[in-house]
Amino acid sequence: DVKVTQSSRYLVKRTGEKVFLECVQDMDHENMFWYRQDPGLGLRLIYFSYDVKMKEKGDIPEGYSVSREKKERFSLILESASTNQTSMYLCASSPHPPGGQPQHFGDGTRLSIL
Amino acid sequence: GENVEQHPSTLSVQEGDSAVIKCTYSDSASNYFPWYKQELGKRPQLIIDIRSNVGEKKDQRIAVTLNKTAKHFSLHITETQPEDSAVYFCAAGGGSNYKLTFGKGTLLTVNP
Repeated sequence: DVKVTQSSRYLVKRTGEKVFLECVQDMDHENMFWYRQDPGLGLRLIYFSYDVKMKEKGDIPEGYSVSREKKERFSLILESASTNQTSMYLCASSPHPPGGQPQHFGDGTRLSIL
Repeated sequence: GENVEQHPSTLSVQEGDSAVIKCTYSDSASNYFPWYKQELGKRPQLIIDIRSNVGEKKDQRIAVTLNKTAKHFSLHITETQPEDSAVYFCAAGGGSNYKLTFGKGTLLTVNP
């Protein structure tokens, strides 16, 4: 069974801090994704990666960056956290092709920026 | 890019009734259409998916239909049970689309 593990379930940070959200998958999937989930807005793609060191912007990349140094790990970075980045963050992975295969989600990180 | 519209945003049914959730998509290149169920406080989980070479797919009480010409697809849940209460998301992707685009979700409540 696919396991996608996010490092924290809950996180509280202050405005201006640099925040790291970590995600690890154990199925050797090529693709990894970061989504943001807000009530009434569904799942919005922030960034995705289709290979090590490769990344593509999603629909809402502003204020975020990502890092994928190893195939199993995909990190989301908030360069300077702001209150409007308070949200639920979901990581997912899938085999190729990235839009044509089931995505497997982690449990999510609920991030609060004070 | 792809745009997915999902309706209704909330749906309340009595236990044993059927529930139908509908989605439309804009990009005719999309060829993969999954449905996810997200229970309160839990991760989204795939419950059924369909590809564009198939018009209908069933799995016990759940079925999905796809109309490529009209660019819409629907989730049908029969004999609903309280444990079906959750938020359901549709999505479209594949083909020339490198990502899945999700609908905004439907909160389904099944009343005992």
